[in-house]
Amino acid sequence: GAGVSQSPRYKVAKRGQDVALRCDPISGHVSLFWYQQALGQGPEFLTYFQNEAQLDKSGLPSDRFFAERPEGSVSTLKIQRTQQEDSAVYLCASSPQTDTQYFGPGTRLTVL
Amino acid sequence: QKEVEQNSGPLSVPEGAIASLNCTYSDRGSQSFFWYRQYSGKSPELIMSIYSNGDKEDGRFTAQLNKASQYVSLLIRDSQPSDSATYLCAVNFEVGTASKLTFGTGTRLQVTL
Repeated sequence: GAGVSQSPRYKVAKRGQDVALRCDPISGHVSLFWYQQALGQGPEFLTYFQNEAQLDKSGLPSDRFFAERPEGSVSTLKIQRTQQEDSAVYLCASSPQTDTQYFGPGTRLTVL
Repeated sequence: QKEVEQNSGPLSVPEGAIASLNCTYSDRGSQSFFWYRQYSGKSPELIMSIYSNGDKEDGRFTAQLNKASQYVSLLIRDSQPSDSATYLCAVNFEVGTASKLTFGTGTRLQVTL
């Protein structure tokens, strides 16, 4: 079956621009997670949704980061006024009612 | 601060040998442990999950968990060049169902011919 999909796969932004990253989870998966992975590091948690409810946003690094999942399916991670330190791969993962998470291919964001 | 520690490597093993990857974690109360494989430029792929002390085997992979020592390992038997990747240890520090994972920095494995 179809896995987690993310778009765009690559995004180049000028410093100060706003970006929006999309995640389509596996159909029927209740939980959705966003992680940020810097080069040479493991993924770091950003935020978590159960259906449309954002239950944990403790990992969002600043108020420039915002995530939503309005209908409990597709999710968007928005970064306002991008900075160079935002350059990373942004991974989305979804999970059924278990703690096994399945990752999408990621969006590689480069801020110039 | 709840942490997961891994040796970054690279760990180099010859083809056909056993690769042993290790991970320690900071919270004794942790319940769920995962090994992910990540090829360069790709996303993490789940290999094994383990919840109870002891060994869990799946094909050439064996996960080992020792909660008293806060230690989890992954053994890869008959290592193949296609096993060359970064192996990420991940821990769910919160009891219950879906919850955030805390990852180590990963160990890079190189299987040589």
